[in-house]
Amino acid sequence: EAQVTQNPRYLITVTGKKLTVTCSQNMNHEYMSWYRQDPGLGLRQIYYSMNVEVTDKGDVPEGYKVSRKEKRNFPLILESPSPNQTSLYFCASSFLGGTEAFFGQGTRLTVV
Amino acid sequence: AQKVTQAQTEISVVEKEDVTLDCVYETRDTTYYLFWYKQPPSGELVFLIRRNSFDEQNEISGRYSWNFQKSTSSFNFTITASQVVDSAVYFCALSGETGANNLFFGTGTRLTVIP
Repeated sequence: EAQVTQNPRYLITVTGKKLTVTCSQNMNHEYMSWYRQDPGLGLRQIYYSMNVEVTDKGDVPEGYKVSRKEKRNFPLILESPSPNQTSLYFCASSFLGGTEAFFGQGTRLTVV
Repeated sequence: AQKVTQAQTEISVVEKEDVTLDCVYETRDTTYYLFWYKQPPSGELVFLIRRNSFDEQNEISGRYSWNFQKSTSSFNFTITASQVVDSAVYFCALSGETGANNLFFGTGTRLTVIP
């Protein structure tokens, strides 16, 4: 089954404790991206990658890191989480060229 | 810069009524893509439709229809004979020529269908 898998689905952590949210897709998509969803703001892009070892900032990259060492995986790293990073996070993947994006099921992160 | 405006924050309708969700976009790109996604209460994002800037034909899929008008920079979504299962947040999104897959989302419209 074609899918984008994020883990964990729910996470509560404390300020400053490094964490990683994993994202994996099995559709051989070149493009992968991370978004955060906040009430009243819709989804905003954090980082994206157009291929292995190629990553770039989206609209709200501060406080986040990513890496793309393999085509299928695109982890999101919060090295020192803060309460303002409490949000719902989505990973997405697609073929290049404005095609439909497939989204993971979301990770609800709470930083206390 | 790309921008999507969904002015309707929340809409409530009674079951079987028709409802239109508005989407207005801004872009300077000649080639761009418009999307609608549905987010049901369970939280996942479900793809509904993709349109490119060169295809202004309206589309109908069952009870869903979309009206794309470049002259008014709008891509509106109509649900005919709404059902309770249509209750969700609906997002309109835009991607442009540069970084063609980077999606710019509107703030969403929460639709509640009352039985």
